[in-house]
Amino acid sequence: EVQLVESGGGLVQPGGSLRLSCAASGFTFSSYEMNWVRQAPGKGLEWVSYISSSGSTIYYADSVKGRFTISRDNAKNSLYLQMNSLRAEDTAVYYCARGARIAAAGPDNWFDPWGQGTLVTVSS
Amino acid sequence: SYELTQPPSVSVSPGQTARITCSGDALPKKYAYWYQQKSGQAPVLVIYEDSKRPSGIPERFSGSSSGTMATLTISGAQVEDEADYYCYSTDSSGNHGVFGGGTKLTVL
Repeated sequence: EVQLVESGGGLVQPGGSLRLSCAASGFTFSSYEMNWVRQAPGKGLEWVSYISSSGSTIYYADSVKGRFTISRDNAKNSLYLQMNSLRAEDTAVYYCARGARIAAAGPDNWFDPWGQGTLVTVSS
Repeated sequence: SYELTQPPSVSVSPGQTARITCSGDALPKKYAYWYQQKSGQAPVLVIYEDSKRPSGIPERFSGSSSGTMATLTISGAQVEDEADYYCYSTDSSGNHGVFGGGTKLTVL
């Protein structure tokens, strides 16, 4: 079964840092591009970041560029999101999502599957 | 920054056809994708590459795109189709993903 499981969410103070992880199973992780998508409480979906299958190409939403870093470890079948300088507006459920079409070369792709999400709360 | 515009809400009676639109300047050159999200759940893909339906998605779900507008059509909407629907695409560079604001579909 193709599965993505996020972890690492929690409560953090404004200005703090947090590292999210996404464990992949049931498919050849190293062949697929990955994305992070978030959803603030009661709000819509927001694309956050993309990483190519090798990790050589990365893109960010303007709202997180310079503060968040996406990375992956293909040997560990894992995707990461390092979040620094966190703000209240970063409070959200963070989903990892697989780019379903291989070699899309960017976030112009459909996301399937998604993980169940991990909640990040930025508050003092 | 690039935006995709959806109506906040659409309401139909069971068995009627629901149409949800998504407008964006780059849609003539970029695919639209559609996701269904029920309360407390992760999004589920219902349409990809404008009009293709994934396996397991009922045939009543269809998609189309013309010019700067993409449309998700649910023919004969069912009560179980009540959910939030989001369109997704990228800006003209293809380097930044964008979701529409979401449309709450009510079927009653």
